[in-house]
Amino acid sequence: QKEVEQDPGPLSVPEGAIVSLNCTYSNSAFQYFMWYRQYSRKGPELLMYTYSSGNKEDGRFTAQVDKSSKYISLFIRDSQPSDSATYLCAMSAGGTSYGKLTFGQGTILTVHP
Amino acid sequence: DGGITQSPKYLFRKEGQNVTLSCEQNLNHDAMYWYRQDPGQGLRLIYYSQIVNDFQKGDIAEGYSVSREKKESFPLTVTSAQKNPTAFYLCASSIKRNTEAFFGQGTRLTVV
Repeated sequence: QKEVEQDPGPLSVPEGAIVSLNCTYSNSAFQYFMWYRQYSRKGPELLMYTYSSGNKEDGRFTAQVDKSSKYISLFIRDSQPSDSATYLCAMSAGGTSYGKLTFGQGTILTVHP
Repeated sequence: DGGITQSPKYLFRKEGQNVTLSCEQNLNHDAMYWYRQDPGQGLRLIYYSQIVNDFQKGDIAEGYSVSREKKESFPLTVTSAQKNPTAFYLCASSIKRNTEAFFGQGTRLTVV
């Protein structure tokens, strides 16, 4: 079993829809949780960064972390065609492991007009 | 502009040849990383370095080598011992004591 599981999709939604992306994990040492967006043939770009449990909102994006359930989510409101990309969850135990990220497989999202 | 520069963007090599991928950063980050991305498998850590002249193996280090002679540079050599080298290689860096990693634009290596 992988440390981080992410439904690879693909996920196809109409413009304006609310998108929910999810990851589960097994390592209880993970404390830092990130979501990256990756366009085709590009490097991942950091979207959201959360420490421990709770919610974080940034514009149309909301990240949620539930450490008790080992479950994280990314919500995208009013989705746009420009949101079409692969979304990767990543997490780290922090401390001396700073920057060492364990990634999910990525979810391919397509938002059609 | 600060950032991470990987070169070249595309690289073709014949089987059995070693090849070196370049990664340079001007963010003054202490730590640098190499990840490999294959379709449907997310990113996997090859090597990382938290300080100059020191580096550690990641999850899939076999067939790869690195050096960290300067803070700004962390080149990756894909050796002939790597059984399946064709992949998308990503370099990243992070500030010490901060877990967010920032990525370069990647090098797509094709071995024929």
